Amino acid sequence: QVQLVQSGAEVKKPGASVKISCTASGYTLTSYAMQWVRQAPGQRPEWVGWINGGDGNTKYSQKFHDRVTITRDTSANTAYMELSSLRSEDTAVYYCARDNFLISFDPWGQGTLVTVSS
Amino acid sequence: QSVLTQSPSASGTPGQRVTISCSGSSSNIGSNPVSWFQRLPGTAPKLLIYFNNQRPSGVPDRFSGSKSGTSASLAISGLQSEDETDYYCAVWDGSLNGWVFGGGTKLTVL
Repeated sequence: QVQLVQSGAEVKKPGASVKISCTASGYTLTSYAMQWVRQAPGQRPEWVGWINGGDGNTKYSQKFHDRVTITRDTSANTAYMELSSLRSEDTAVYYCARDNFLISFDPWGQGTLVTVSS
Repeated sequence: QSVLTQSPSASGTPGQRVTISCSGSSSNIGSNPVSWFQRLPGTAPKLLIYFNNQRPSGVPDRFSGSKSGTSASLAISGLQSEDETDYYCAVWDGSLNGWVFGGGTKLTVL
C-alpha cells in the first residue's frame, strides 16, 4: 500500500539547518507531487511548500521562501525538505503528504519532530 | 486575523449528527475546493473529504462535506466515540498563493 516514511526526530541549535527525508513506497515519486506541512504545539497546520515529483518544480510558502529548499531523489523515491537559519519558533512536527493535484494531502508521513533549542 | 476560521469546539452524543464549519473568503473557499482532515492524538492527519464533498476510499459515508459561498462544512452522522478528536479544513488561497489551514475544531462525544 502507499506509505510515506519520514526520517527521525532532530534537535538543532538556533541558526542551524535541518534536512528531513520522506521516502515513498507503493507508488513512484515522479507520478505525484509532495507537499510539506508543519504543525507547532497548539498551532494550526502551516503549509511549507511542495515539489512536483515529475519535473522537480517547487513552490514555497511566502513565509519560508528564503529559508526552505525542497528537493527529490527519484532513484531513492525520496523527497527532502531543508529549512535553514532555524529559530525557536521553528520547533514543530513536520509532515510530508502526497498530492495528485486532485486529491491533496493523502496520505501523510508519520511526522518528524524538529526541536530548536540552545 | 486568521484566513480560515473554525469554531474551537463542537460536541454531540452517540448517534447524533454534528456539523463543523470553516469560514473563509473569496480568495480561498470562495474560489477553490475545500479538504477536511481528521487528526487522532499522536498520529498524522488523515484526509476525510477532498474537493468539497468527495470521500477517499475507506472513509465511512458518515462523513460528508459541503460548501456554500465562502464557507464550508463537515458533517458527521451517527456519531461514535472514536470520532472524538480534532478536525481541520484546508484550501488553496489565491491571494496568498499557498495552502491555508483552519485552526481546528475539537469534537467531544458526550
